[in-house]
Amino acid sequence: EPEVTQTPSHQVTQMGQEVILRCVPISNHLYFYWYRQILGQKVEFLVSFYNNEISEKSEIFDDQFSVERPDGSNFTLKIRSTKLEDSAMYFCASSQGYNEQFFGPGTRLTVL
Amino acid sequence: QKEVEQDPGPLSVPEGAIVSLNCTYSNSAFQYFMWYRQYSRKGPELLMYTYSSGNKEDGRFTAQVDKSSKYISLFIRDSQPSDSATYLCAPRGNRDDKIIFGKGTRLHILP
Repeated sequence: EPEVTQTPSHQVTQMGQEVILRCVPISNHLYFYWYRQILGQKVEFLVSFYNNEISEKSEIFDDQFSVERPDGSNFTLKIRSTKLEDSAMYFCASSQGYNEQFFGPGTRLTVL
Repeated sequence: QKEVEQDPGPLSVPEGAIVSLNCTYSNSAFQYFMWYRQYSRKGPELLMYTYSSGNKEDGRFTAQVDKSSKYISLFIRDSQPSDSATYLCAPRGNRDDKIIFGKGTRLHILP
């Protein structure tokens, strides 16, 4: 069964450093998303991406964040200058259309 | 008022019991209603997906949506220890991209 994959599973970085989180969405899906979950809190929407552009973003997704689909299979989230409060699980999701979103296993980001 | 509210639990029930998980929401524009299951430190796994009001059954799981009262339920029959997880209520608008998650209800099935 096709699934969303994410790498790395755990990323440790120093405050102020740039990180890139990578995702491979399900191959015939057209819509891509990033969500995050701070430990003990709810899953929060960050950004959605369709047709090579951002279609919606939350207040969390400020200028420090960017997304890219560099080729036909990968979808990345970049945080330019990480802060302590960026420590969270980051989930990538994909969907065919305005229907079910399928989530990846997540990348745990720890900012020291 | 929060957009999506769930009792955080934990809810502990004996194996084989029927489990009822509930969720309320405030935004009348929500049209799609999903339930996700999340094991500790894992990604949300889609369980049920319904559109508008009504019931949907899939194996041991039944989802109910009552848009008039903005109330969503998930029933689990013949509960198993492997059902122990956090259940996330997740509605979405008709043309919205984003899913609004509830905080989730922690369920513990006792063997």
